[in-house]
Amino acid sequence: SQQGEEDPQALSIQEGENATMNCSYKTSINNLQWYRQNSGRGLVHLILIRSNEREKHSGRLRVTLDTSKKSSSLLITASRAADTASYFCATAGANNLFFGTGTRLTVIP
Amino acid sequence: SQTIHQWPATLVQPVGSPLSLECTVEGTSNPNLYWYRQAAGRGLQLLFYSVGIGQISSEVPQNLSASRPQDRQFILSSKKLLLSDSGFYLCAWSPLARSYNEQFFGPGTRLTVL
Repeated sequence: SQQGEEDPQALSIQEGENATMNCSYKTSINNLQWYRQNSGRGLVHLILIRSNEREKHSGRLRVTLDTSKKSSSLLITASRAADTASYFCATAGANNLFFGTGTRLTVIP
Repeated sequence: SQTIHQWPATLVQPVGSPLSLECTVEGTSNPNLYWYRQAAGRGLQLLFYSVGIGQISSEVPQNLSASRPQDRQFILSSKKLLLSDSGFYLCAWSPLARSYNEQFFGPGTRLTVL
């Protein structure tokens, strides 16, 4: 399966701490994307990293990609209560994206 | 700017009843359109995608069907709902020429089949 797998499944941290989520996948990719989903809502695109990139930043987000290990990580620095959500990685197929099962992040105020 | 709409937001239907969920996109032309289902606490399962009017690709054999009668309209249907059809249904679009790039999601429809 081309689907990504996030780890951990759930993560609970204090406000101000950093949160790290990992994603592993099985096939070669064009790019890898991270999405966020607030409870009961649609997904929101956070960041895209291409297969020839190793690291990318966007605000408090830092994404790394290791194509040799077929893995990616999402780091959220200085977390806030509003960061509480589920985070999904997605790998690009020929016509669609394959989503993982997500990491449920809870940031405690 | 582009926007995507889904309705209804929530739906409770009895087993065996028909289903029609609608998704429309504004502010873009020739989008790729997608239907996903998300079971409680799970990831997204791609159900259908469409690269143009009348062009539907099915990813998973099931009790559901999809249609694209207009460029920016995508409909998910069923003739007879099953209990297992319950879930959160998400519609998404992406620019046709950039199918590897990000997808933009609608707010979703929560379907409960009783």
